[in-house]
Amino acid sequence: DAGVIQSPRHEVTEMGQEVTLRCKPISGHDYLFWYRQTMMRGLELLIYFNNNVPIDDSGMPEDRFSAKMPNASFSTLKIQPSEPRDSAVYFCASKGSEPRRAFFGQGTRLTVV
Amino acid sequence: DAKTTQPTSMDCAEGRAANLPCNHSTISGNEYVYWYRQIHSQGPQYIIHGLKNNETNEMASLIITEDRKSSTLILPHATLRDTAVYYCIVRVAGTDFGNEKLTFGTGTRLTIIP
Repeated sequence: DAGVIQSPRHEVTEMGQEVTLRCKPISGHDYLFWYRQTMMRGLELLIYFNNNVPIDDSGMPEDRFSAKMPNASFSTLKIQPSEPRDSAVYFCASKGSEPRRAFFGQGTRLTVV
Repeated sequence: DAKTTQPTSMDCAEGRAANLPCNHSTISGNEYVYWYRQIHSQGPQYIIHGLKNNETNEMASLIITEDRKSSTLILPHATLRDTAVYYCIVRVAGTDFGNEKLTFGTGTRLTIIP
């Protein structure tokens, strides 16, 4: 398995633009997580899904952020409109039933100018 | 989930054992201790986890005290590639909704010295 695949690896966009980050979890995993990492706040959980259903979105910072999981092999995190303070590395992770450990993607480095 | 306390940073000589401590004095009986690490610019990587018995795998050993209020991650023969931030996380493991998330603290920045 290629592991958790995120795209793009790097994204630079202008303030006010819409940004869409993509994640392909490991096949067969039933949990998917979106994290954000900044120097100031460290690794923060934004939202996670179980069997494509959002379970906990309490970490989503505001209405500008939305996440979807239309099927078991694909998820998106969208920011609209983007702001400079959204600049961070965004990680996607997935987890299956056995072993019960999370596997992380390589992350998307987002820069909003 | 119980809060954990780790030293901010540690150094270890290459080839020696690296011992990373973690305090989790408020841990509950059904909470596991998990360790992840994050090598620069990469996503976090699972290392090991345990409930009360000591655990060992190909990467590391986990020693949990009898009262479970602290634990130590041991990398037996540290290499330069082990330089990373190491996170100790305590959480309930199970299949109930709401118990599957990992909450990361600030971790320990381990530097392996040549």
